[in-house]
Amino acid sequence: GEDVEQSLFLSVREGDSSVINCTYTDSSSTYLYWYKQEPGAGLQLLTYIFSNMDMKQDQRLTVLLNKKDKHLSLRIADTQTGDSAIYFCAERPASGGYNKLIFGAGTRLAVHP
Amino acid sequence: DVKVTQSSRYLVKRTGEKVFLECVQDMDHENMFWYRQDPGLGLRLIYFSYDVKMKEKGDIPEGYSVSREKKERFSLILESASTNQTSMYLCASSLRGGAKNIQYFGAGTRLSVL
Repeated sequence: GEDVEQSLFLSVREGDSSVINCTYTDSSSTYLYWYKQEPGAGLQLLTYIFSNMDMKQDQRLTVLLNKKDKHLSLRIADTQTGDSAIYFCAERPASGGYNKLIFGAGTRLAVHP
Repeated sequence: DVKVTQSSRYLVKRTGEKVFLECVQDMDHENMFWYRQDPGLGLRLIYFSYDVKMKEKGDIPEGYSVSREKKERFSLILESASTNQTSMYLCASSLRGGAKNIQYFGAGTRLSVL
């Protein structure tokens, strides 16, 4: 079945890099996404990657996709206190006729001085 | 910018009450979704709609119903609220058939059922 797994917590020091990992099960997924949720807010799309790519960079964010291992990661360079949030990985299965997304449980990133 | 607006940020209701959660989007999106978010469980799809008056059950539809009378508005209804429906409810919308299928989210409604 479809499933997306992420670790629940990550703590990093301000200025260090953060790496948030995600594994998914549907090898036919076409797009994979990272969403960010700040306290008390809804989800905001951070970035996405198409399944035929293995890397995408956008300013401080780097997404790596390993299709063979069904592993997705989000690297945040020079992590700041404003990056403290919950990060959700999501996949779009190819079989999702109504544009369904499958979300992971979310990784809570805590940035400390 | 896409805007998805949920009518209430916080709601407190009593067990057995009928509860309406409203969501409006301004980007003429065909798809609209209702999720609930619980710690450690992530987002679980309750219902979605791909057109006016059309709806499909998601993964956890029990105890909920929905209404889509106009394209921009999608309502979630708790017919008889129970304490296990205390949660954060998130509405989202997206284009139908959009290759990237980006879902845009509202700020959420935190519902407490006492």
